[in-house]
Amino acid sequence: KQEVTQIPAALSVPEGENLVLNCSFTDSAIYNLQWFRQDPGKGLTSLLLIQSSQREQTSGRLNASLDKSSGRSTLYIAASQPGDSATYLCALRVDNQGGKLIFGQGTELSVKP
Amino acid sequence: DAMVIQNPRYQVTQFGKPVTLSCSQTLNHNVMYWYQQKSSQAPKLLFHYYDKDFNNEADTPDNFQSRRPNTSFCFLDIRSPGLGDAAMYLCATSRGLAGGSYEQYFGPGTRLTVT
Repeated sequence: KQEVTQIPAALSVPEGENLVLNCSFTDSAIYNLQWFRQDPGKGLTSLLLIQSSQREQTSGRLNASLDKSSGRSTLYIAASQPGDSATYLCALRVDNQGGKLIFGQGTELSVKP
Repeated sequence: DAMVIQNPRYQVTQFGKPVTLSCSQTLNHNVMYWYQQKSSQAPKLLFHYYDKDFNNEADTPDNFQSRRPNTSFCFLDIRSPGLGDAAMYLCATSRGLAGGSYEQYFGPGTRLTVT
Protein backbone atom coordinates (compact mmCIF):
# COMPACT_ATOMS: atom_id res chain seq x y z
CA LYS A 1 0.00 0.00 0.00
CA GLN A 2 1.40 3.36 -1.03
CA GLU A 3 2.13 5.75 1.82
CA VAL A 4 3.15 9.36 1.38
CA THR A 5 4.86 11.35 4.10
CA GLN A 6 5.69 15.03 4.16
CA ILE A 7 8.21 16.52 6.52
CA PRO A 8 8.10 18.95 8.20
CA ALA A 9 4.40 19.33 9.01
CA ALA A 10 4.89 23.06 9.51
CA LEU A 11 7.66 25.49 8.64
CA SER A 12 8.15 29.17 9.41
CA VAL A 13 10.85 31.15 7.62
CA PRO A 14 11.77 34.83 7.18
CA GLU A 15 11.09 36.47 3.84
CA GLY A 16 13.81 35.97 1.25
CA GLU A 17 15.00 32.61 2.52
CA ASN A 18 15.37 29.64 0.21
CA LEU A 19 13.62 26.51 1.48
CA VAL A 20 13.03 22.86 0.73
CA LEU A 21 9.92 20.82 1.37
CA ASN A 22 10.20 17.05 1.47
CA CYS A 23 7.94 14.26 0.30
CA SER A 24 8.70 10.56 0.66
CA PHE A 25 6.78 7.55 -0.62
CA THR A 26 6.98 3.81 -0.19
CA ASP A 27 6.15 2.40 -3.66
CA SER A 28 8.02 3.57 -6.76
CA ALA A 29 5.31 2.29 -9.15
CA ILE A 30 3.92 5.70 -9.98
CA TYR A 31 2.84 7.51 -13.12
CA ASN A 32 3.72 10.95 -11.86
CA LEU A 33 3.98 13.21 -8.85
CA GLN A 34 2.23 16.54 -8.46
CA TRP A 35 2.93 19.35 -6.03
CA PHE A 36 -0.09 21.44 -5.03
CA ARG A 37 -0.64 24.60 -3.08
CA GLN A 38 -3.71 25.03 -0.87
CA ASP A 39 -4.68 28.31 0.74
CA PRO A 40 -6.88 28.14 3.86
CA GLY A 41 -10.42 27.08 2.99
CA LYS A 42 -9.62 26.89 -0.72
CA GLY A 43 -9.15 24.24 -3.37
CA LEU A 44 -5.89 22.89 -4.76
CA THR A 45 -3.70 24.74 -7.22
CA SER A 46 -1.31 22.57 -9.21
CA LEU A 47 2.25 23.87 -9.08
CA LEU A 48 4.36 21.27 -10.84
CA LEU A 49 3.97 17.80 -12.30
CA ILE A 50 6.91 15.43 -12.65
CA GLN A 51 6.43 12.38 -14.80
CA SER A 52 7.81 9.06 -13.64
CA SER A 53 10.59 9.22 -16.23
CA GLN A 54 11.66 12.76 -15.31
CA ARG A 55 14.05 13.97 -12.63
CA GLU A 56 12.92 17.56 -12.12
CA GLN A 57 10.63 20.35 -13.23
CA THR A 58 10.95 24.10 -12.82
CA SER A 59 8.43 26.91 -12.81
CA GLY A 60 9.59 30.38 -11.84
CA ARG A 61 10.97 30.26 -8.29
CA LEU A 62 9.87 26.65 -7.84
CA ASN A 63 11.89 23.55 -8.60
CA ALA A 64 10.67 20.04 -7.94
CA SER A 65 12.81 16.92 -8.08
CA LEU A 66 11.95 13.24 -8.15
CA ASP A 67 14.12 10.29 -7.15
CA LYS A 68 12.06 7.15 -7.56
CA SER A 69 14.80 4.81 -6.41
CA SER A 70 14.94 6.44 -3.01
CA GLY A 71 11.22 7.26 -2.87
CA ARG A 72 11.76 10.99 -2.48
CA SER A 73 10.67 14.27 -3.97
CA THR A 74 11.60 17.78 -2.95
CA LEU A 75 10.05 21.16 -3.67
CA TYR A 76 12.56 23.98 -3.62
CA ILE A 77 11.25 27.53 -3.23
CA ALA A 78 13.74 30.28 -3.94
CA ALA A 79 13.61 33.74 -2.38
CA SER A 80 10.44 33.06 -0.40
CA GLN A 81 7.76 35.75 -0.13
CA PRO A 82 4.87 36.24 2.32
CA GLY A 83 2.51 35.37 -0.55
CA ASP A 84 4.02 31.88 -0.59
CA SER A 85 2.40 31.17 2.78
CA ALA A 86 0.06 28.20 2.27
CA THR A 87 -0.09 24.44 2.71
CA TYR A 88 1.91 22.48 0.15
CA LEU A 89 0.78 18.98 -0.72
CA CYS A 90 2.53 16.32 -2.74
CA ALA A 91 0.45 13.66 -4.45
CA LEU A 92 1.35 10.51 -6.34
CA ARG A 93 -0.59 9.19 -9.28
CA VAL A 94 -0.36 5.45 -8.82
CA ASP A 95 -0.35 2.61 -11.30
CA ASN A 96 -3.44 0.44 -11.76
CA GLN A 97 -5.69 2.41 -9.44
CA GLY A 98 -7.76 4.46 -11.84
CA GLY A 99 -5.27 7.28 -11.88
CA LYS A 100 -6.17 8.36 -8.40
CA LEU A 101 -3.89 10.63 -6.41
CA ILE A 102 -2.56 9.61 -3.03
CA PHE A 103 -1.74 12.67 -0.98
CA GLY A 104 0.68 13.45 1.78
CA GLN A 105 -0.56 15.34 4.82
CA GLY A 106 1.02 18.56 3.63
CA THR A 107 3.52 21.09 4.93
CA GLU A 108 2.09 24.34 6.27
CA LEU A 109 4.46 27.12 5.26
CA SER A 110 4.52 30.55 6.84
CA VAL A 111 6.81 33.23 5.38
CA LYS A 112 7.25 36.15 7.75
CA PRO A 113 7.80 39.68 6.35
CA ASP B 1 -11.02 31.43 -17.00
CA ALA B 2 -12.33 28.83 -14.60
CA MET B 3 -11.83 25.30 -15.89
CA VAL B 4 -13.32 23.26 -13.03
CA ILE B 5 -16.29 24.93 -11.37
CA GLN B 6 -17.96 23.82 -8.19
CA ASN B 7 -21.30 25.01 -6.85
CA PRO B 8 -22.10 26.02 -4.28
CA ARG B 9 -18.86 27.09 -2.63
CA TYR B 10 -20.44 26.76 0.80
CA GLN B 11 -23.31 24.47 1.68
CA VAL B 12 -25.08 24.09 5.01
CA THR B 13 -27.42 21.15 5.46
CA GLN B 14 -29.24 19.58 8.34
CA PHE B 15 -28.41 16.20 9.78
CA GLY B 16 -30.10 13.58 7.58
CA LYS B 17 -31.25 15.99 4.88
CA PRO B 18 -30.08 14.97 1.40
CA VAL B 19 -27.70 17.33 -0.32
CA THR B 20 -26.22 17.54 -3.83
CA LEU B 21 -22.94 19.16 -4.77
CA SER B 22 -22.22 20.13 -8.36
CA CYS B 23 -19.09 20.12 -10.50
CA SER B 24 -18.68 21.23 -14.10
CA GLN B 25 -15.65 21.42 -16.38
CA THR B 26 -14.75 23.23 -19.57
CA LEU B 27 -11.71 21.03 -20.31
CA ASN B 28 -13.63 18.21 -22.03
CA HIS B 29 -11.71 15.72 -19.89
CA ASN B 30 -12.72 12.09 -19.79
CA VAL B 31 -12.21 11.55 -16.08
CA MET B 32 -13.89 13.30 -13.18
CA TYR B 33 -13.01 12.65 -9.53
CA TRP B 34 -14.57 13.47 -6.18
CA TYR B 35 -12.30 13.82 -3.15
CA GLN B 36 -13.24 14.43 0.47
CA GLN B 37 -10.92 16.52 2.64
CA LYS B 38 -11.62 16.77 6.34
CA SER B 39 -10.06 19.47 8.46
CA SER B 40 -6.25 19.27 8.58
CA GLN B 41 -6.27 16.00 6.62
CA ALA B 42 -5.15 14.98 3.16
CA PRO B 43 -7.76 14.69 0.39
CA LYS B 44 -9.16 11.19 0.00
CA LEU B 45 -10.71 9.84 -3.18
CA LEU B 46 -14.38 8.84 -2.97
CA PHE B 47 -14.98 7.75 -6.57
CA HIS B 48 -14.33 8.63 -10.18
CA TYR B 49 -15.95 8.44 -13.60
CA TYR B 50 -14.13 7.53 -16.75
CA ASP B 51 -16.67 8.71 -19.32
CA LYS B 52 -19.82 6.98 -18.04
CA ASP B 53 -18.00 4.21 -16.19
CA PHE B 54 -18.36 4.69 -12.44
CA ASN B 55 -15.64 3.47 -10.07
CA ASN B 56 -16.22 3.49 -6.35
CA GLU B 57 -13.39 3.34 -3.82
CA ALA B 58 -13.74 0.30 -1.58
CA ASP B 59 -14.09 2.30 1.62
CA THR B 60 -16.51 4.96 0.33
CA PRO B 61 -19.68 4.81 2.44
CA ASP B 62 -22.95 3.86 0.70
CA ASN B 63 -24.30 7.21 1.82
CA PHE B 64 -22.30 8.82 -1.00
CA GLN B 65 -23.50 8.52 -4.58
CA SER B 66 -22.53 10.21 -7.82
CA ARG B 67 -24.07 11.00 -11.20
CA ARG B 68 -22.49 12.10 -14.44
CA PRO B 69 -25.21 12.99 -16.93
CA ASN B 70 -22.77 14.25 -19.57
CA THR B 71 -19.07 14.96 -20.10
CA SER B 72 -19.22 18.38 -18.50
CA PHE B 73 -21.13 17.75 -15.30
CA CYS B 74 -20.74 15.49 -12.29
CA PHE B 75 -22.78 15.50 -9.09
CA LEU B 76 -22.08 14.24 -5.58
CA ASP B 77 -25.18 13.17 -3.66
CA ILE B 78 -25.08 12.60 0.08
CA ARG B 79 -28.26 10.77 0.95
CA SER B 80 -28.32 11.25 4.71
CA PRO B 81 -25.52 13.54 5.87
CA GLY B 82 -24.08 12.92 9.28
CA LEU B 83 -21.95 15.24 11.38
CA GLY B 84 -18.91 13.26 10.27
CA ASP B 85 -19.53 14.19 6.65
CA ALA B 86 -18.70 17.82 7.25
CA ALA B 87 -15.69 18.45 5.02
CA MET B 88 -14.36 20.16 1.92
CA TYR B 89 -15.43 18.29 -1.21
CA LEU B 90 -13.06 18.66 -4.12
CA CYS B 91 -13.83 17.85 -7.74
CA ALA B 92 -10.98 17.15 -10.13
CA THR B 93 -10.62 16.24 -13.79
CA SER B 94 -8.02 14.52 -15.92
CA ARG B 95 -7.70 13.77 -19.60
CA GLY B 96 -7.06 10.10 -18.96
CA LEU B 97 -6.48 7.43 -16.34
CA ALA B 98 -3.07 6.05 -17.16
CA GLY B 99 -0.04 7.94 -18.27
CA GLY B 100 2.56 10.09 -16.69
CA SER B 101 1.59 13.29 -18.45
CA TYR B 102 -1.98 13.34 -17.19
CA GLU B 103 -2.37 16.13 -14.68
CA GLN B 104 -5.34 16.50 -12.35
CA TYR B 105 -7.05 19.87 -12.27
CA PHE B 106 -9.01 20.77 -9.17
CA GLY B 107 -11.98 23.02 -8.59
CA PRO B 108 -12.22 25.50 -5.70
CA GLY B 109 -14.11 23.02 -3.53
CA THR B 110 -17.43 23.05 -1.69
CA ARG B 111 -17.28 23.34 2.07
CA LEU B 112 -20.12 21.33 3.59
CA THR B 113 -21.39 22.06 7.08
CA VAL B 114 -23.85 19.69 8.75
CA THR B 115 -25.94 21.08 11.58
